[in-house]
Amino acid sequence: AQTVTQSQPEMSVQEAETVTLSCTYDTSESDYYLFWYKQPPSRQMILVIRQEAYKQQNATENRFSVNFQKAAKSFSLKISDSQLGDAAMYFCAYRSTRDDKIIFGKGTRLHILP
Amino acid sequence: AAGVIQSPRHLIKEKRETATLKCYPIPRHDTVYWYQQGPGQDPQFLISFYEKMQSDKGSIPDRFSAQQFSDYHSELNMSSLELGDSALYFCASSDTYTLLGADTGSYNEQFFGPGTRLTVL
Repeated sequence: AQTVTQSQPEMSVQEAETVTLSCTYDTSESDYYLFWYKQPPSRQMILVIRQEAYKQQNATENRFSVNFQKAAKSFSLKISDSQLGDAAMYFCAYRSTRDDKIIFGKGTRLHILP
Repeated sequence: AAGVIQSPRHLIKEKRETATLKCYPIPRHDTVYWYQQGPGQDPQFLISFYEKMQSDKGSIPDRFSAQQFSDYHSELNMSSLELGDSALYFCASSDTYTLLGADTGSYNEQFFGPGTRLTVL
């Protein structure tokens, strides 16, 4: 069974600084998707970034980028120029190409310090 | 753009009562997913439907049932409610053949609704 592990329950970063959230996963599959979701206090689940496992190039979305290391089964999220609105719970997630369910990690709560 | 609609947004029930949660997918989306997020927990996949047929099943209790209707909306029915059923219930929808750009191939992103917060007293 696939698992997703986020080893940092909470992190803090100064506004305008850069922070990296860690995530590792376990799977025997070769093709899959990885995601980072943001859940602000409103509890809405917002997709931040997506990575297809077959792509070697790391995904980037504005200030958000990932470091995808397939062999190491590592998928970290880097947030550059942190803003107060980035404060939220961040979930790393996995999805096989063969079924529907998204498997989430336990989450990392990110605090932005003004 | 239209989003996934869930109703009600908040629901309070007593133990052993029943509850029905509704999900209205984004127009033209044919697949619906249900997730349960307990307090301080990560979301857990419950069940999904494609074209009114159950397509995948996760850790959904036998007390729960769900279905998708001809207009693609879905309902999650929960009976004999327990205190542990208190959670945020997300519905997500997708279009099975959505293409997100020429370089990404086919990928059906799940768009999440705002959730229904169920409190069982």
